[in-house]
Amino acid sequence: ELKVEQNPLFLSMQEGKNYTIYCNYSTTSDRLYWYRQDPGKSLESLFVLLSNGAVKQEGRLMASLDTKARLSTLHITAAVHDLSATYFCVLSGYALNFGKGTSLLVTP
Amino acid sequence: EPEVTQTPSHQVTQMGQEVILRCVPISNHLYFYWYRQILGQKVEFLVSFYNNEISEKSEIFDDQFSVERPDGSNFTLKIRSTKLEDSAMYFCASRDQGEWTEAFFGQGTRLTVV
Repeated sequence: ELKVEQNPLFLSMQEGKNYTIYCNYSTTSDRLYWYRQDPGKSLESLFVLLSNGAVKQEGRLMASLDTKARLSTLHITAAVHDLSATYFCVLSGYALNFGKGTSLLVTP
Repeated sequence: EPEVTQTPSHQVTQMGQEVILRCVPISNHLYFYWYRQILGQKVEFLVSFYNNEISEKSEIFDDQFSVERPDGSNFTLKIRSTKLEDSAMYFCASRDQGEWTEAFFGQGTRLTVV
């Protein structure tokens, strides 16, 4: 059974701080995604990671993939309030398999 | 910018009634999906559709559910006899072929079964 496990599930952090969200998955896959969801809104693709060692950065977010460890990370640098949202790690199999999501709240 | 469009945005229906949720995927995309998200919970896969047929479906997608692509643009999800537990946000997504492609999600239809 394909499992995607994120931690933490809830994260409250101060503006300006750094933090990392972890995503472990149970089986090999050809691609891994990170999606963002604002409350009551749709799902927005942030990153597509294909190969071992892949690193992608967009603004204050950086995602990486270690296929040998079956681990992806989403690193937040100098958090700002606008980053408050739920972040999903998503593994591509026959369908997109979502983790439970990490609810991030950035406070002043 | 191309986007996935879903209608209606909110549907309230009585238990036992049939509902049809509609989606217009991005026009050149080949893969189509339905997902649902019960309030505050995980995003759950329902079904994937490719080349005019279901390619995969989850345990949730039982005989009460069906999908159709009645013309070249629409992609619909039908629930024949709704139950209270079908209340959720339903998301349609589409994806193009290719290694780097991601799935684009619509804004969702909030289904409330009363």
